[in-house]
Amino acid sequence: EAGVAQSPRYKIIEKRQSVAFWCNPISGHATLYWYQQILGQGPKLLIQFQNNGVVDDSQLPKDRFSAERLKGVDSTLKIQPAKLEDSAVYLCASSLQGMDGYTFGSGTRLTVV
Amino acid sequence: QQQVKQSPQSLIVQKGGISIINCAYENTAFDYFPWYQQFPGKGPALLIAIRPDVSEKKEGRFTISFNKSAKQFSLHIMDSQPGDSATYFCAASKGSSASKIIFGSGTRLSIRP
Repeated sequence: EAGVAQSPRYKIIEKRQSVAFWCNPISGHATLYWYQQILGQGPKLLIQFQNNGVVDDSQLPKDRFSAERLKGVDSTLKIQPAKLEDSAVYLCASSLQGMDGYTFGSGTRLTVV
Repeated sequence: QQQVKQSPQSLIVQKGGISIINCAYENTAFDYFPWYQQFPGKGPALLIAIRPDVSEKKEGRFTISFNKSAKQFSLHIMDSQPGDSATYFCAASKGSSASKIIFGSGTRLSIRP
């Protein structure tokens, strides 16, 4: 089966600019997650979707981050405006109900300069 | 609040040796404890997982030991190989299989040939 697809792989932007990341989960996986992984740290959950509804966005900095999954399949994560501390790898993952664990994509490495 | 504490931060082991990574958790409601392996430029991949109804789980050269009373669990890699060189994350979650997973800070493992 195809894995979790993410794009772009790399992005460099200046602070205060905006950026968007795209994720296409494994077909049939109802649950989709966006994680932020800062260099040298473990992934931190930003937002969790179940189909097209938000389950948990308690750690999403809502003043600058937004995410949507309009048709319950692919998802976009946006940052506007970006700050230097947003430099990280943004990982998308998906899971199937009844299946333990997630499948992660390779991530998007964002550098804010 | 760091809910899953992982040590050591980095580990160097000779080829053929045993690699041991330790984790401790705080929330007694956690009931699923996975370990993820991450290679550079890739997303984390599920390696092995355990639930608290057993004290040990083995899959090939990888073993999880679980101590519920101490709220600790560890990963043992037997006969460590250079291909095992990666970053390892312990993690924990509670509730359903689609619940959010909380990650430790990671251990960078290097296997010397």
